[in-house]
Amino acid sequence: SQQGEEDPQALSIQEGENATMNCSYKTSINNLQWYRQNSGRGLVHLILIRSNEREKHSGRLRVTLDTSKKSSSLLITASRAADTASYFCATDSIIQGAQKLVFGQGTRLTINP
Amino acid sequence: EPEVTQTPSHQVTQMGQEVILRCVPISNHLYFYWYRQILGQKVEFLVSFYNNEISEKSEIFDDQFSVERPDGSNFTLKIRSTKLEDSAMYFCASSIHYEQYFGPGTRLTVT
Repeated sequence: SQQGEEDPQALSIQEGENATMNCSYKTSINNLQWYRQNSGRGLVHLILIRSNEREKHSGRLRVTLDTSKKSSSLLITASRAADTASYFCATDSIIQGAQKLVFGQGTRLTINP
Repeated sequence: EPEVTQTPSHQVTQMGQEVILRCVPISNHLYFYWYRQILGQKVEFLVSFYNNEISEKSEIFDDQFSVERPDGSNFTLKIRSTKLEDSAMYFCASSIHYEQYFGPGTRLTVT
């Protein structure tokens, strides 16, 4: 079964530095999405990258996708304390027009002031 | 900006009791989902719902679970006879196409 797995499991950096998180998956995908979750809160959609795209930007976020390696990376530039959260990649499987997301374990990002 | 809402934010129930978790998806969305996250674990897919019927369900979504869209706005998850292991955060999500938007979750505690 397809499964997103993030790496590293935890990352701690200084404010202003860039943070890179990686995600690997096992089977073919239609899209890959990244979500953020603040402690005990809901999932916030960050960005979606389609399987035929290689790179996508949104503000300080940059996502890459390498379907040959079945991997994706999320780069957050010029990190801020408010970026402290868990970040998840989610891959999809479209069944009968609906879409089931499979989440990884997440990367816990801590931005130190 | 439209958002998915869920009530209650926290539900405490005794083992064996029935609970109903409620969600109001974004109004023009067509696909609806429930996920759960046991503390410290991954977010897991439970069920997807489209055109008033279940599209797909996971192994977790056994006979004790059911979903309903009773009117044009609400989307509910019912757990008939709760077990201790049902304690988790339950997230509702909705989408038009591929991007799923999640609600803030309901923390279910079964004692």
